[in-house]
Amino acid sequence: VMTQSPATLSVSPGERATLSCRASQSVSDNLAWYQQKPGQAPRLLIYGPSTRATGTPDRFSGSGSGTEFTLTISSLQSEDSAVYYCQQYDSWPLWTFGPGTKVEIK
Amino acid sequence: EVQLLESGGGLVQPGGSLRLSCASSGFTFSNFALAWVRQGPGKGLEWVSAISGSGGSKYYIDSVKGRFIISRDNSKNTVYLQMNSLRAEDTAVYYCAKDRSDSTGYYPNWGQGTLVTVSS
Repeated sequence: VMTQSPATLSVSPGERATLSCRASQSVSDNLAWYQQKPGQAPRLLIYGPSTRATGTPDRFSGSGSGTEFTLTISSLQSEDSAVYYCQQYDSWPLWTFGPGTKVEIK
Repeated sequence: EVQLLESGGGLVQPGGSLRLSCASSGFTFSNFALAWVRQGPGKGLEWVSAISGSGGSKYYIDSVKGRFIISRDNSKNTVYLQMNSLRAEDTAVYYCAKDRSDSTGYYPNWGQGTLVTVSS
C-alpha cells in the first residue's frame, strides 16, 4: 500500500514544495512520480527514484529508497499546479499508485 | 514520436460488455509491455492490467480477474481490453500506457484516455 502526504499542499510561487510517499513495505528503488493536470493524462516525471524523465525540468528532484520517498520542487512555478502521484513497480507485476498530492499555488 | 490512441469507450449497462482498443505508433510495438490504467471520477490512478511484448504474459488487478481480458495484435500495433460483466465501480477514464521496456513497470508514454460509464 502506498500513502502520500500531505493530501493538499499550498505553496507560493518561487517557494519549495516537498511531497512525501511511503510504502507499507520496501520497494527498493522502484518508485516513480507522475504529474497530472486537470483533463490530461498523467506524465512521468521521475523514476528510479531520482532519475528525471525526458523533458522534466531540473527544479523537480526525487530521493529516497525502501519505504520513504520525497519529490521536491525547488522553486514552484504556476504551471506546476497539479496532482502528483507516486507509483511502486517493485511488486511485479502488480503495480500500485499512491492516492496523490494536490499542489496548489498560493 | 510515440503515440497511443484509445477508443471504444462509452455508456454500457451493468452486466454489459465493452472492448477498448489502443492503437500505437512511433516505436517497435512487440518490444514493449503495455498496460491499462483507470481513473474513476474524481479519484486517483489504478493500474488494471498489463501484457508483455510477446503477449505471452498477462496480469490483472484482483477486482477485474475473470471479467477483463487483455490482448494484443502485434501485426496491428494494437492492444485491447475486453471488459465483461461490467459494474458501476468500473466507471472510469481508461488510459493505455507504454512501459519503458518489456518488464520495467513504469510508464513514460500515455494515451489521452477513453471514458467508460457503467450505468442503467
